[in-house]
Amino acid sequence: GEDVEQSLFLSVREGDSSVINCTYTDSSSTYLYWYKQEPGAGLQLLTYIFSNMDMKQDQRLTVLLNKKDKHLSLRIADTQTGDSAIYFCADPSGAGSYQLTFGKGTKLSVIP
Amino acid sequence: ETGVTQTPRHLVMGMTNKKSLKCEQHLGHNAMYWYKQSAKKPLELMFVYNFKEQTENNSVPSRFSPECPNSSHLFLHLHTLQPEDSALYLCASSPQGINGYTFGSGTRLTVV
Repeated sequence: GEDVEQSLFLSVREGDSSVINCTYTDSSSTYLYWYKQEPGAGLQLLTYIFSNMDMKQDQRLTVLLNKKDKHLSLRIADTQTGDSAIYFCADPSGAGSYQLTFGKGTKLSVIP
Repeated sequence: ETGVTQTPRHLVMGMTNKKSLKCEQHLGHNAMYWYKQSAKKPLELMFVYNFKEQTENNSVPSRFSPECPNSSHLFLHLHTLQPEDSALYLCASSPQGINGYTFGSGTRLTVV
């Protein structure tokens, strides 16, 4: 079945850039997603990228997609303490294209 | 508010109790999901409903019983739970399109 892998922890200093990486196995996906989960809350859609794009930029967020290597990354520029959260990569898979497979999540800790 | 509302936010129940978790969305989505998120495991998909029909049951014990009376409401009925069932239970909904899932804030369940 589909597998989505992420490193579990990342620690950066405030003001630095954060890069969260993800690898996936299902290459037929039309879109790939990043979700953010703040403490005590559900997951919130952060951004997504269409599979025919290499890069998408949205303010401080940059998503890079390498389809050949099945590698997705999320870069957060000028990381702030409010960015501390768990970040999940998600890939459509399963019985229908609407069903997502999530990675285990990367916990980002921002040091003031 | 994300558009997906879960109640209650917190629930403490004994192992012999029966309780229900409720999820409601008025986003016009036709798929709804229950996920379990515990400290030591990644997001676990429990049940999927598409147009009120259950399309997936990921080997969930029978002490968890889902109900989807209409496309806007989803319930998870709980009975004779075990302490290891303590977790954050997340509901999500999705259209069959590019926007991915919308998650509720979750119900933090503690079984004592």
